[in-house]
Amino acid sequence: DAKTTQPPSMDCAEGRAANLPCNHSTISGNEYVYWYRQIHSQGPQYIIHGLKNNETNEMASLIITEDRKSSTLILPHATLRDTAVYYCIAAPPRGTSYGKLTFGQGTILTVHP
Amino acid sequence: ETGVTQTPRHLVMGMTNKKSLKCEQHLGHNAMYWYKQSAKKPLELMFVYNFKEQTENNSVPSRFSPECPNSSHLFLHLHTLQPEDSALYLCASSQDRGEDTEAFFGQGTRLTVV
Repeated sequence: DAKTTQPPSMDCAEGRAANLPCNHSTISGNEYVYWYRQIHSQGPQYIIHGLKNNETNEMASLIITEDRKSSTLILPHATLRDTAVYYCIAAPPRGTSYGKLTFGQGTILTVHP
Repeated sequence: ETGVTQTPRHLVMGMTNKKSLKCEQHLGHNAMYWYKQSAKKPLELMFVYNFKEQTENNSVPSRFSPECPNSSHLFLHLHTLQPEDSALYLCASSQDRGEDTEAFFGQGTRLTVV
């Protein structure tokens, strides 16, 4: 799996958009970009994933650059409950690699009132 | 609630004890995983099961023994653990259907070895 680089921490004001960057410059053509988050002492929660097109769901939007070397997770209206560690993972969609995710240190997002 | 249930949520055990962690999923998934998360460290993949067959063991010490009796249940048997084995143990499941799909994680078992 390609290595990803994320800032260790970010702050965001409640109600504002949170934009979390991720660098994956060595990503290969068949690797997807997955985002998960982990609220303190709970299991990771899937947020969104994409290959090369921008994606949006009820939780977030994912913007992937045209060269696929970086991406941004956008939480459009951050709430206090969005405070968590956010993980960006590049992994191929083959076999049991779907759940065989390699987690890094992630970004600690703190949403302030 | 993610559809993946782990029990117990908290466990304290002595180094000479034998205990088991249980994971159950009702999502119809065919792949299940054990992860370990130590303090201040990223999640580490321990074991992978696909259709009840172990397909990966990430150099995990033999004091951790997984068991997958069917596609819905996964156990992690623990014996003669060390204090450094204290961690959050997470179970996950996913569906291997040849396409991209997400993994669902349980809430984890917080294990303390004394």
